Amino acid sequence: QQQVKQSPQSLIVQKGGISIINCAYENTAFDYFPWYQQFPGKGPALLIAIRPDVSEKKEGRFTISFNKSAKQFSLHIMDSQPGDSATYFCAASSGGSNYKLTFGKGTLLTVNP
Amino acid sequence: NAGVTQTPKFRILKIGQSMTLQCAQDMNHNYMYWYRQDPGMGLKLIYYSVGAGITDKGEVPNGYNVSRSTTEDFPLRLELAAPSQTSVYFCASSFLDSRNQPQHFGDGTRLSIL
Repeated sequence: QQQVKQSPQSLIVQKGGISIINCAYENTAFDYFPWYQQFPGKGPALLIAIRPDVSEKKEGRFTISFNKSAKQFSLHIMDSQPGDSATYFCAASSGGSNYKLTFGKGTLLTVNP
Repeated sequence: NAGVTQTPKFRILKIGQSMTLQCAQDMNHNYMYWYRQDPGMGLKLIYYSVGAGITDKGEVPNGYNVSRSTTEDFPLRLELAAPSQTSVYFCASSFLDSRNQPQHFGDGTRLSIL
């Protein structure tokens, strides 16, 4: 059973455009939703995270939007740059801790110059 | 600080062989984890540890074993390697029970079983 569904699998965006990646979850006990960024040959690294007590969190060009009633959250990358080209994973966990993360399948983002 | 160090970076095994993937962290993190990453499948948790001497199964533990004798080290053992274990393995670590602290990942071990 896939508990975190991520879409799209791949995404191509022009430089300066907006990249949007969506995730949906089933487990209502999830209460922590991080996004990880992974470059080729490297391990994932935390990009930004949100808890369900807020509907939006912004850090620079990266924004998480969270819809608790729909059990959905999304990552928006404004003014996308070629250096943003990477694989992005959404994840979720429960119980007030960051261990035992359940990851989505990932989205390969390509930003063309 | 080196962070999370995984060795080896690459390895080819024959079916039935065994090996140990090494993971060490120098951040004094309580929690450590092993994931496998298959193309298009995200990361799946194999085993995790909340401290020295304590380990527990994740989502896909079959065919693997772990031990945690020290805070720093968390080796993953493959016994009787099978082609289905061809994957990229990531070790990660984090502080205890803090949602504001991320999991820190190593750069992975790419394992092929032929």
